[in-house]
Amino acid sequence: DTGVSQDPRHKITKRGQNVTFRCDPISEHNRLYWYRQTLGQGPEFLTYFQNEAQLEKSRLLSDRFSAERPKGSFSTLEIQRTEQGDSAMYLCASSSDRGGNTIYFGEGSWLTVV
Amino acid sequence: QKEVEQNSGPLSVPEGAIASLNCTYSDRGSQSFFWYRQYSGKSPELIMSIYSNGDKEDGRFTAQLNKASQYVSLLIRDSQPSDSATYLCAVDMRFGAGTRLTVKP
Repeated sequence: DTGVSQDPRHKITKRGQNVTFRCDPISEHNRLYWYRQTLGQGPEFLTYFQNEAQLEKSRLLSDRFSAERPKGSFSTLEIQRTEQGDSAMYLCASSSDRGGNTIYFGEGSWLTVV
Repeated sequence: QKEVEQNSGPLSVPEGAIASLNCTYSDRGSQSFFWYRQYSGKSPELIMSIYSNGDKEDGRFTAQLNKASQYVSLLIRDSQPSDSATYLCAVDMRFGAGTRLTVKP
């Protein structure tokens, strides 16, 4: 059983460029989450999917951020017109709504905006 | 706004001591409660989950949940230097800021 997979693991981009991260959840998990984490802080909730439906989106997520999960399997998180303040680790996680909904994390995607 | 608050720490305990970590939450309807450990530069890893009032023990770790007080805690017995990490409380899908624990040899 493979865990949550994220790609790329590291991304350096220039301010103003667009970046996209991909997440492949644990295969039997129907829920998928995106978080952002900066140094010294806990994971900050961004958005949540159940199957292909985006059920909740943080108001902290500006219109430059968009997430999709088109077939209820993998998900992408796109950041448009990146700013230096977007530099963070972007964590994807998944869970199953059977058996306690325990959230399992991927290794994270580190974004540096220069 | 659904909030999860943790005692900010940092917390330092000697090797072999009990470390106590605390968490409160604002949403009385919360269903699932978790403790995660996060080493520097790594992603969070699950330590324990708890869903009903009372204590749940797993090895050196004991989680306590009190829904009436909206309070979750984690006790680490016989703390080891390898337990030095940031401990994150999660309620449903929301996380606290974490408490950094250092166990001194």
